[in-house]
Amino acid sequence: AQSVTQLGSHVSVSEGALVLLRCNYSSSVPPYLFWYVQYPNQGLQLLLKYTTGATLVKGINGFEAEFKKSETSFHLTKPSAHMSDAAEYFCAVSDDPGTASKLTFGTGTRLQVTL
Amino acid sequence: NAGVTQTPKFQVLKTGQSMTLQCAQDMNHEYMSWYRQDPGMGLRLIHYSVGAGITDQGEVPNGYNVSRSTTEDFPLRLLSAAPSQTSVYFCASSYAARGGFYGYTFGSGTRLTVV
Repeated sequence: AQSVTQLGSHVSVSEGALVLLRCNYSSSVPPYLFWYVQYPNQGLQLLLKYTTGATLVKGINGFEAEFKKSETSFHLTKPSAHMSDAAEYFCAVSDDPGTASKLTFGTGTRLQVTL
Repeated sequence: NAGVTQTPKFQVLKTGQSMTLQCAQDMNHEYMSWYRQDPGMGLRLIHYSVGAGITDQGEVPNGYNVSRSTTEDFPLRLLSAAPSQTSVYFCASSYAARGGFYGYTFGSGTRLTVV
């Protein structure tokens, strides 16, 4: 069975600092991996995804993530944090060989950005 | 605007009552899912559908029913509400293209309280 672990339920960074949100997964087959962002009282928005091909994936709002099979990781990074990045971030995995439509989500990491 | 529409946005039920959470998408997506979000637990899959007439159970299906008679609609029925079903419910839809599964578009959620 697939599972996702997000290390750190809360992360605080200064504006302009590097953002690093950690995600490790377990899967018996090559996975599909996703990062979503949720702003207060809103639904989830897709930031980026990895399905096949290039292991460094670029997403919206300057975020990127690197799929590392040997480490079973898919950490999310952004070189310089902005106040508008404050939100909750969810990593998700699917190893459904047919459709990848059954996603398993991590418990989320709340990002705080301070001045 | 195209997207996933959930109604109602807020609902209070008494224990034992039944109700239907509505979900509609106008993007002709084949895949639809229902998730519930609880603090500290991320999102958990309730039911999902890979096309009209096809549904299956997710991680936490007990107490919920779904049907998918059309591509556009995927209602979630609570049969006999219990306080444990107090949660925020998200509906999501997606499609698969040549590059694989695209990733879900989420609705804005229904906040349900069972007293």
